[in-house]
Order: sequence, then C-alpha cells, then structure tokens
Amino acid sequence: EAQVTQNPRYLITVTGKKLTVTCSQNMNHEYMSWYRQDPGLGLRQIYYSMNVEVTDKGDVPEGYKVSRKEKRNFPLILESPSPNQTSLYFCASSLSPGTRDNEQFFGPGTRLTVL
Amino acid sequence: GQSLEQPSEVTAVEGAIVQINCTYQTSGFYGLSWYQQHDGGAPTFLSYNALDGLEETGRFSSFLSRSDSYGYLLLQELQMKDSASYFCVLTDSWGKFQFGAGTQVVVTP
Repeated sequence: EAQVTQNPRYLITVTGKKLTVTCSQNMNHEYMSWYRQDPGLGLRQIYYSMNVEVTDKGDVPEGYKVSRKEKRNFPLILESPSPNQTSLYFCASSLSPGTRDNEQFFGPGTRLTVL
Repeated sequence: GQSLEQPSEVTAVEGAIVQINCTYQTSGFYGLSWYQQHDGGAPTFLSYNALDGLEETGRFSSFLSRSDSYGYLLLQELQMKDSASYFCVLTDSWGKFQFGAGTQVVVTP
C-alpha cells in the first residue's frame, strides 16, 4: 500500500530534550516536506526537500532541523524543544511539486506536546 | 511573499451547493490546489488548477482566475461526510507550498 508513515504518533516531552520525528514514504517520491498545524493557522511549511541531500527552509524553520540522506526518509529534528513547538506535525511527499503531479500525500500526523 | 484568504466557516444543508472562495496576493506561483481535512486526520488532495478555468472532479470543481487573483472550490450535492476543513494552497515551482487558514464546512441534515 502506498503510504507515508510517521513515528511517533503522539509524544509528550520536556523543554530542551532533543527529539526526532521520523517520516518514511514508499512511493519513490523525490519531494518531501514537513508542516506544523496550529488552530486557526492552517498548515505552515517548516522544511522541504526536492531530492536527496537537498533541503530548503519553509516559512517557519526556526528551531527545527532536517536531513535527507535517503530518498524514502526525511526525519524532523528538534534539538532543544520549547513549549511554542507544541503542535500537530505532518510529513508529506509528492512526485513533482512544480508540475501537475504536485499532489501531496500526507502522513497520519504526530501530536507533540512540550512541557 | 504570499498570502491567502478564505472564509473561516460555511454552513449548508445536505444536497446543497457550497462555494469556498480563496483570494490571494503573491508575486508568482505555479498553481492553486485544494485539500480536505477531517477532524484529527491527514489532509487529502482534492483538485488542482495550473491554468485559468474550471477543473471538475466528480462532485467537486475548482476554478482559477489569475487576472482576479481568485479561485474557488465548488462542492455539489453536499453529503454529511463533506463536513470537514478545506484549504486552498499556492504552489511554486521550487517546492514551497502556502496553505490558507482553512474553511470549516458544516453540513446539516
């Protein structure tokens, strides 16, 4: 089954404790992206990657890191989480964002709470 | 920069037609997409317009007018399962996606 998976689905942590949210897709998509969703703000793009070893900042990259060492994986790293990073996080992948094949496939989401 | 505006909520009865408008301000973009999201779920793709005009996909249609900086999503023959949030999304050619704040559609019996 074609899908995007994220782990963990739920996470409660404390300020300053490094964490990684994993994202994996099995559709051989070149493009992957991370979003955070907060009430009333829609989805905001954190980082995206057009291909392996190519990453770019979205609209809200502060406090986050990403890496793209393999096509299928795109982990999101919070080196020192703070309470304002409490949010619902989505990973997505797409065949080709700058074409008609720009449909994004989203993972199930990771609900993160930072105390 | 880019910004998109869409209504926060629309209410309609089953069987009705709903139009969700999206106006935008941007210096350039490749296309306008629409996504649906049910409470607590992942967004799912509905429709995409790269060119001006109407795109039809079953009960859903989407329209784009670049000269008016405007697009809309039309939901026909509303069903209870259409109760969800709908997002318009601007796409550029370099991988950036800009989501609107979303429109909550409430379908009543």
